[in-house]
Amino acid sequence: QSVLTQPPSVSGAPGQRVTISCTGSSSNIGAGYDVHWYQQLPGTAPKLLIYGNSNRPSGVPDRFSGSKSGTSASLAITGLQAEDEADYYCQSYDSSLSALFGGGTKLTVL
Amino acid sequence: EVQLVESGGGLVKPGGSLRLSCAASGFTFSSYSMNWVRQAPGKGLEWVSSISSSSSYIYYADSVKGRFTISRDNAKNSLYLQMNSLRAEDTAVYYCAREAPPGTTVTGNWFDPWGQGTLVTVSS
Repeated sequence: QSVLTQPPSVSGAPGQRVTISCTGSSSNIGAGYDVHWYQQLPGTAPKLLIYGNSNRPSGVPDRFSGSKSGTSASLAITGLQAEDEADYYCQSYDSSLSALFGGGTKLTVL
Repeated sequence: EVQLVESGGGLVKPGGSLRLSCAASGFTFSSYSMNWVRQAPGKGLEWVSSISSSSSYIYYADSVKGRFTISRDNAKNSLYLQMNSLRAEDTAVYYCAREAPPGTTVTGNWFDPWGQGTLVTVSS
């Protein structure tokens, strides 16, 4: 059971917009720790997608965006494409300085 | 090119030991905190351990505390994970990952890049 809660799966048709939530608590996200997002394509290592709640590393399309409010964060993907089909993970910290990951969300492009 | 390459995984019996290595290149290894993150087959990511640039600060997940030891050799640009008293539930792909550049943030670092991972299987 992950401390950060994500929906197990989301889906959308090509071109649509989907969001993935990441819900924490007052001891992690709500304590002011940033949320970061990773994309893991099948059979590959995770790749940084969003850092510091809403920042995109160079090379990440602006179709991907992140936000944080209170004890939760969200990843939004607009203009869904087939190659976006992957697992997505949120990551933050808790007050013991242990890194935390969400349980992961499998995105299916219909 | 920044690169992390893990090695040392394999099949080990319950109660056994294994030492993982992560060779870093393409950046000033001695300036960055480093982490181990694992992923059990078909499961999500689980943070295992972190070590600061000079090894002054070390943290472990409760699930491995007392059994695993993280270390680094900045002269060899290498990160290690000594795993003792291994259990079936330690079976996973183990990734090494670099933390955000030093001084970037005080509100929680991100991991970038990640290595390709090395598989550890604990089974009799």
